[in-house]
Amino acid sequence: QVQLVQSGAEVQKPGASVRVSCKASGYAFIDYYIHWVRQAPGQGLEWMGWIDSNNGDTNYAQKFQGWVTMTRDTAISTVYLELNRLTSDNTAVYYCARSSTYGSRWIDSWGQGTPVTVSS
Amino acid sequence: SYVLTQPPSVSEAPGKTARITCGGNNIGSKSVHWYQQKPGQAPVVVIYYDTDRPSGIPERFSGSNSGNTATLTISRVETGDEADYYCQVWDSSRADVVFGGGTKLTVL
Repeated sequence: QVQLVQSGAEVQKPGASVRVSCKASGYAFIDYYIHWVRQAPGQGLEWMGWIDSNNGDTNYAQKFQGWVTMTRDTAISTVYLELNRLTSDNTAVYYCARSSTYGSRWIDSWGQGTPVTVSS
Repeated sequence: SYVLTQPPSVSEAPGKTARITCGGNNIGSKSVHWYQQKPGQAPVVVIYYDTDRPSGIPERFSGSNSGNTATLTISRVETGDEADYYCQVWDSSRADVVFGGGTKLTVL
């Protein structure tokens, strides 16, 4: 079955960077996009961007451009989200999620979420 | 950028029909997907491409989309349906995924 397994909770200080991983299994990794979605405490879902698992192309939501980087390693079917210059506003649960690469990009599978806490 | 507007909350009695709306400019020309998220859990799709229901989702869940409003309808609501619900579209002009702000469904 399709699984997206994310790395564990992170606690970081302001100004630091963090990398969250998302390991895919149960399907042809390169045939799908992986999206990252953020959810701050008590808030709604916020789409951050996607990466094409096949060729590494990315598209970031405007507010995340310049400080977020998405990469992938096809050899181990893993996608990474790197967050730089962290602030307390970045405290959230970060989800990876899978969609097709065509059509209306609905999300059919989600990771379990990775809590990231930014605190001095 | 494209904006989706949902009511923050909807309440309905058990056994009744709950309707959650998602407004957007000419949203009827787009495909709308709906997700259910219960506390402490990842979201789960309940409706995709306006009206399709994934396997395992009860027939009580249905969707419609026309004009400037898409609607998720939950018939014979149960306490187990209490959750946050989000609509989502694909903004092809930017290649962006767009989520609505979410609606908290309370079954009283």
